Amino acid sequence: QSALTQPASVSGSPGQSITISCTGTSSDVGSYNLVSWYQQHPGKAPKLMIYEVNKRPSGVSDRFSGSKSGNTAALTISGLQAEDEATYYCFSYAGSYTNWVFGGGTKLTVL
Amino acid sequence: EVQLVESGGGLVQPGGSLRLSCVASGFTFSSYWMNWVRQAPGKGLEWVANMNKDGSEKYYVDSVKGRFTISRDNAKNSVYLQMSSLRAEDAAVYYCARGANYAFHIWGQGTMVIVSS
Repeated sequence: QSALTQPASVSGSPGQSITISCTGTSSDVGSYNLVSWYQQHPGKAPKLMIYEVNKRPSGVSDRFSGSKSGNTAALTISGLQAEDEATYYCFSYAGSYTNWVFGGGTKLTVL
Repeated sequence: EVQLVESGGGLVQPGGSLRLSCVASGFTFSSYWMNWVRQAPGKGLEWVANMNKDGSEKYYVDSVKGRFTISRDNAKNSVYLQMSSLRAEDAAVYYCARGANYAFHIWGQGTMVIVSS
């Protein structure tokens, strides 16, 4: 199974909105509403931000939202804040319990 | 508080072995699949292995099959990763993560494995 494709970096100014894409195939993103997104600050463990495409765990700000169209999923962060600067990874179930792969990660810079 | 705490990392020579442990608290451990995910220095996340609730099913990424073994002890709220025949490319921070709905909901703080002579 190939890794999901994410842009290496995105940037935005405080208060703006940004979108990070995650492109898979008809075997993973396109077939299942099981895309999740993780935020990782340097030296810290990842944190789940979105699961099942657009569901937010308790405690995650509603500035974070997820969507999917065809083989591409997206994470949108509105009202950018300095604390949002981190690397974001996507993940999608692909029909089996093995050889799961993450996206390559997108580094978000808040200008 | 829901928490996962890993331990057991350290420096090991190529070809050596190491056993990682992850202790869970704050939730019913036996109700969840558990995963190990690793991150090499400066690299992205790589799923390594997972195990179902009662330990009867285990799955691995191809690169560790035959060398790593995941196990769990529900009485001790613990999941383990036995690593053998370690290679330089296995060097990473290893995280345990609680699974649900094919997502990783809770993560530990990680334990670092260094493979070097």
